[in-house]
Amino acid sequence: DADVTQTPRNRITKTGKRIMLECSQTKGHDRMYWYRQDPGLGLRLIYYSFDVKDINKGEISDGYSVSRQAQAKFSLSLESAIPNQTALYFCATSDLPSGNTDTQYFGPGTRLTVL
Amino acid sequence: AQTVTQSQPEMSVQEAETVTLSCTYDTSESDYYLFWYKQPPSRQMILVIRQEAYKQQNATENRFSVNFQKAAKSFSLKISDSQLGDAAMYFCAYRRFSDMRFGAGTRLTVKP
Repeated sequence: DADVTQTPRNRITKTGKRIMLECSQTKGHDRMYWYRQDPGLGLRLIYYSFDVKDINKGEISDGYSVSRQAQAKFSLSLESAIPNQTALYFCATSDLPSGNTDTQYFGPGTRLTVL
Repeated sequence: AQTVTQSQPEMSVQEAETVTLSCTYDTSESDYYLFWYKQPPSRQMILVIRQEAYKQQNATENRFSVNFQKAAKSFSLKISDSQLGDAAMYFCAYRRFSDMRFGAGTRLTVKP
C-alpha cells in the first residue's frame, strides 16, 4: 500500500535509447519532484511540479524532460540516454501548500543503468 | 547556492550506545527547513526528523534528536540507544521553497 510508487524498479538500457520512468502517488499531493542519486553526491533535484500546469527545472535538468499527466502522475524521460545518466532516480511528493510540514515523501527509487 | 556538507563519510557505533552525525550548511536565508533522512539497503528514503529554522527548540523523535545551531549553521543528529536497524545511510537536507539540497551522506554501521 505504498503511497508513492515508481516503475520500473530497475532498468538497463543502451546509449541513445529513449526511456521513461514513471511515478504515481495516492497521497493527494499537488507537488511532485524527481531526483537523482549518485554515490558521494547525495540527491540532486532534476525537475519539480507544483501542479499539473506548473513544471520547473531543478539543479540538473539538462538531458531530461518531464510530463505531469495528472495530479497523481509525474513521468521523467531521457530522450537519448547516455552512460553518465546511470544513477538511482527518486520521485517524491510534498504536502505543501495544503499541509504545513513541508515534508517530502519518497518513492522506492528506480535504478537505471545506461550501457 | 546553498550547500549541505556532511563531513563524516562513515561512522560506527556499538549497539545501545549513542552516536552523533554532523551536518553543516550554507545559506543567507533566515527561514528554511532542515531534515535528516535515513536510507537503508532497501533504498527507501525515510524521514527521520525535521527542524524549522524559526524554532529555537531542538526537534526530538523518540531516540533521535538534533542539535540545531542556527548561527553556526550546524544541524547534527544524535541517535541514542543505537539499534541494529539504525544501520543505514543518513542524509542531511536543507529546504527553502523549491530549493532542496542534500548532503553526500554518512554511512552508519551498528556493531552488535
